[in-house]
Amino acid sequence: GDSVTQMEGPVTLSEEAFLTINCTYTATGYPSLFWYVQYPGEGLQLLLKATKADDKGSNKGFEATYRKETTSFHLEKGSVQVSDSAVYFCALGPNTGGFKTIFGAGTRLFVKA
Amino acid sequence: NAGVTQTPKFQVLKTGQSMTLQCAQDMNHNSMYWYRQDPGMGLRLIYYSASEGTTDKGEVPNGYNVSRLNKREFSLRLESAAPSQTSVYFCASTYGGTGGRETQYFGPGTRLLVL
Repeated sequence: GDSVTQMEGPVTLSEEAFLTINCTYTATGYPSLFWYVQYPGEGLQLLLKATKADDKGSNKGFEATYRKETTSFHLEKGSVQVSDSAVYFCALGPNTGGFKTIFGAGTRLFVKA
Repeated sequence: NAGVTQTPKFQVLKTGQSMTLQCAQDMNHNSMYWYRQDPGMGLRLIYYSASEGTTDKGEVPNGYNVSRLNKREFSLRLESAAPSQTSVYFCASTYGGTGGRETQYFGPGTRLLVL
């Protein structure tokens, strides 16, 4: 079945460091791919998304490119801030339809000043 | 717009007690979802409602029931709470149509502790 695997955390970085959080998926066809972010004490909110191969989603300095050949959707940011400390979830929306978005386990990011 | 709202924010129950978690959205979305979030396990779908008047089981429905009261409201009921149901519960909604391929809008969550 469809699945999402993302790197385990926590990830601890200093302010202005480069961030990569790896995400790979297993799915048939062309799923939609998402990154959601959860700040402490809040619900998840969409960070970015991509709906087809080679699409690049971007928002707030974060980017991720839909790579069909490597079945990956890695999240990157060139210079993290303390305010980016949160839990990041990679997610997959199956192209076969249905209502079941599949979420990864989440990666907690700590950014130190 | 308030978006997706959930009540209560926090609840403590004793084993065997019942309770209902409330969720409402004001975005005119057709589809609504209940998830639970446990450490290291991401979000798991409990139940969803593709449209008003319909509900379907998700990945972990045992021990829960749901009601889609109208287009705005989708409640989750625990009839006889168990310690294994200690979790954070999130309600979400999507405009509808393609469900899993759409952006989900989440509420702030209900933190439930079952003793």
